Amino acid sequence: ETGVTQSPTHLIKTRGQQVTLRCSSQSGHNTVSWYQQALGQGPQFIFQYYREEENGRGNFPPRFSGLQFPNYSSELNVNALELDDSALYLCASSLVSTSSYNEQFFGPGTRLTVL
Amino acid sequence: DAKTTQPPSMDCAEGRAANLPCNHSTISGNEYVYWYRQIHSQGPQYIIHGLKNNETNEMASLIITEDRKSSTLILPHATLRDTAVYYCIVRVALETSGSRLTFGEGTQLTVNP
Repeated sequence: ETGVTQSPTHLIKTRGQQVTLRCSSQSGHNTVSWYQQALGQGPQFIFQYYREEENGRGNFPPRFSGLQFPNYSSELNVNALELDDSALYLCASSLVSTSSYNEQFFGPGTRLTVL
Repeated sequence: DAKTTQPPSMDCAEGRAANLPCNHSTISGNEYVYWYRQIHSQGPQYIIHGLKNNETNEMASLIITEDRKSSTLILPHATLRDTAVYYCIVRVALETSGSRLTFGEGTQLTVNP
């Protein structure tokens, strides 16, 4: 059973650029969540995808968008990058059904630096 | 969303029990308490969760007060590898399925030799 993987591990961009981060869910999981973690702070929920649709969103602007694919992998896209977008971006997958809820398993994260 | 309050830092001697407190006085009846930890530069790791009863697994024990307004995570025999930031989280249910995790600042636990 493979865990949650993310790519790339590190990324450097400049203000105004666009970035795409990728996540492969743990085998058998159908839900993926994305979190942003600024230095010294706890992770902040960006959004969650379930059955390829957005299923809840945190306090992030529309320039943060995502996709979930039929194989349950996911992408996080950020347009018009700002300096404050510099953070560790975490992906978490879980198996959600109508009768149970399992814990979220996190990937190692992608460190994004915006210059 | 129910808020959680944790001490910013704690120290523990190696081999001793580490008791990490968490206050969640506004928790509602159907919300669970979850604990995660994050070792430096890694993704958070699930530890344990509970609703109202005390829970124990191979990693830790979770003690929830009868009024559910606070809880304690217990690492029975702390090791140096337990040094991490520990997050107490109350689960928020979304509209259809799944839920998000609302992380606070957490407690930096340092296990000393």
